[in-house]
Order: sequence, then C-alpha cells, then structure tokens
Amino acid sequence: GAGVSQSPRYKVAKRGQDVALRCDPISGHVSLFWYQQALGQGPEFLTYFQNEAQLDKSGLPSDRFFAERPEGSVSTLKIQRTQQEDSAVYLCASSLAGTADSGNEQYFGPGTRLTVT
Amino acid sequence: AQSVTQLGSHVSVSEGALVLLRCNYSSSVPPYLFWYVQYPNQGLQLLLKYTTGATLVKGINGFEAEFKKSETSFHLTKPSAHMSDAAEYFCAVSRYNFNKFYFGSGTKLNVKP
Repeated sequence: GAGVSQSPRYKVAKRGQDVALRCDPISGHVSLFWYQQALGQGPEFLTYFQNEAQLDKSGLPSDRFFAERPEGSVSTLKIQRTQQEDSAVYLCASSLAGTADSGNEQYFGPGTRLTVT
Repeated sequence: AQSVTQLGSHVSVSEGALVLLRCNYSSSVPPYLFWYVQYPNQGLQLLLKYTTGATLVKGINGFEAEFKKSETSFHLTKPSAHMSDAAEYFCAVSRYNFNKFYFGSGTKLNVKP
C-alpha cells in the first residue's frame, strides 16, 4: 500500500522567501509528526497533530514556522522568511493510533530537502 | 527528560563480520526503544522496537537488539554483515503517552567486501 509521501522532494529557496512543504500521511493514520534533520544529525521533533488538532508545537524553532492539518489528513509545514539555518531535511511521519501508549511505530516519508541560499 | 546517545558516528565492518551499533538512553520512566535505518535519499524504516516483555527483540533483515535496563542500553547487533546493510542507523526513545521520538545522532555503517 501507499506510504507517507512528501512534496516537493527538493526545494531551493532564496533567503527571505516563504516555502510550503506538503505531507500526505498513510490513509487512516490519526497522528502526524514533523521532524527537522540537519546534516549529520538525527531527526528533531518539530510538531505533532492528532487528527486536525495540533497538540504539541514545542519543537518549532521560531514563529516563522507554522504547520497545519485542517482536515485531519494532509499537512503543510510553512516556513516564512527563510534563513540559511533553515536548510535541512524535513521529515513527516504518521502513526495509526492517537497516542504512544503501546509504542506505536511512526512511518516516515522520504523527506523534503530544503536548501536556503 | 529523554535523550539518546549513539557511540560512534561511523562504524566499518567486513562483509560477514559481526555488526554492533551502540545506543544508550536516559529516561525518567520506562522507555519505548526503536531502531530505524535510513538509506540515502529515503525515509526512515523501522528495524525493530522494544515496548514491554521480552528484552531481546528480533527485527527485520537479521537484526536484533537487547534492552538492558541496568545499563540503560539498547545495542543493535547482526551476526553477519551484508553489503546491503550499509546505511545510517538511528536509535530513538519514546515513552507511554508521549507523542514524540527523541533520536540519536546516527551511526553510518560501512560494509567492506
């Protein structure tokens, strides 16, 4: 079956531009996560949705970062006025259940590699 | 607080040799532990996970890991490396009712012919 998909796969933005990154989770998955993976590092949590509700946005690095999931399926991560330090791979993951109460696996998409010049 | 330490950012083994990738965690409560593999330009794929029960966990592609509470470790092993195992491996920790993973910084495995 279809996994998590993300688009675009690669994005080059000039400093100061706004970007929007899309995530299509696995159909029926309640939870959706965004992670940021800098070069040579492990993924770092950005934000979490349960259906359309954004329950945790503690990892968003600044108010330039905004995420939404208006209908509880597709999600968009928006970065306003991009800076060079925003260059990273942005990973989306989805999970079937609403909580991690049984150690539910997160299924990851291939990521969007953002390069800010 | 949760954190994950992976010792060795690069590990190189010969084909057929034992693979050992180290992961230590800190967690204030019993953890859920995961190993993911990432091939170039691909997303993370789950190898195995520990939640409760048997501390020796078997995963895909012949990998296994043992949860050792006393050592706060969850090291990944495979008896015999294959060329196709060359990839980057990430250890992650979560816990009950906690909706995020904390990842280690990753270990790149190189397999020499």
